[in-house]
Amino acid sequence: AAGVIQSPRHLIKEKRETATLKCYPIPRHDTVYWYQQGPGQDPQFLISFYEKMQSDKGSIPDRFSAQQFSDYHSELNMSSLELGDSALYFCASSPPWTSGGAYGANVLTFGAGSRLTVL
Amino acid sequence: QKEVEQDPGPLSVPEGAIVSLNCTYSNSAFQYFMWYRQYSRKGPELLMYTYSSGNKEDGRFTAQVDKSSKYISLFIRDSQPSDSATYLCAMSAGNTPLVFGKGTRLSVIA
Repeated sequence: AAGVIQSPRHLIKEKRETATLKCYPIPRHDTVYWYQQGPGQDPQFLISFYEKMQSDKGSIPDRFSAQQFSDYHSELNMSSLELGDSALYFCASSPPWTSGGAYGANVLTFGAGSRLTVL
Repeated sequence: QKEVEQDPGPLSVPEGAIVSLNCTYSNSAFQYFMWYRQYSRKGPELLMYTYSSGNKEDGRFTAQVDKSSKYISLFIRDSQPSDSATYLCAMSAGNTPLVFGKGTRLSVIA
């Protein structure tokens, strides 16, 4: 079965550079979530999109922006990178309410993550 | 106080032991409760999913939710070395993003 695809898997950047992470959700999933997981930390919710519109916003820095495109893939853009941005960035997707109701819509499938290292 | 509290461990048990993992939470609106398993350098994978209070069993795994106490548990019977991972509880009110616990790192020693 198709899973959530994230790219790149690894990324090394210098301070103050920019980075873009991409996420391709499971086909027919309409909601995409971005989480940031620092070393030894729990995943922290950054932002989510439903049907290409931002649906929820968490602890996403103003230096970060994201969008969901017409094919439902999403990109997380990070600018003015700081050392503290080094983390695993996970994308997750969930199915529409029409296919599984509230119960199904809360089932998030995560990608393998993109590891960002800022030097 | 975090919305979801989880003892980070680490927890080390011998093979075959029964493992009990727990989380407490403060938001009474949470209705959807999940346990994710995360192997090192991998994404979290859904292990168990329950709605509201009650028990759910799937093979060696049992999830329990006690909404009156705002307490959820995951039991692993006959633990195996392949169960060694970080276990994250997660919960949602429904139309809200998942909130995760810090995760408990489990090691099952052969």
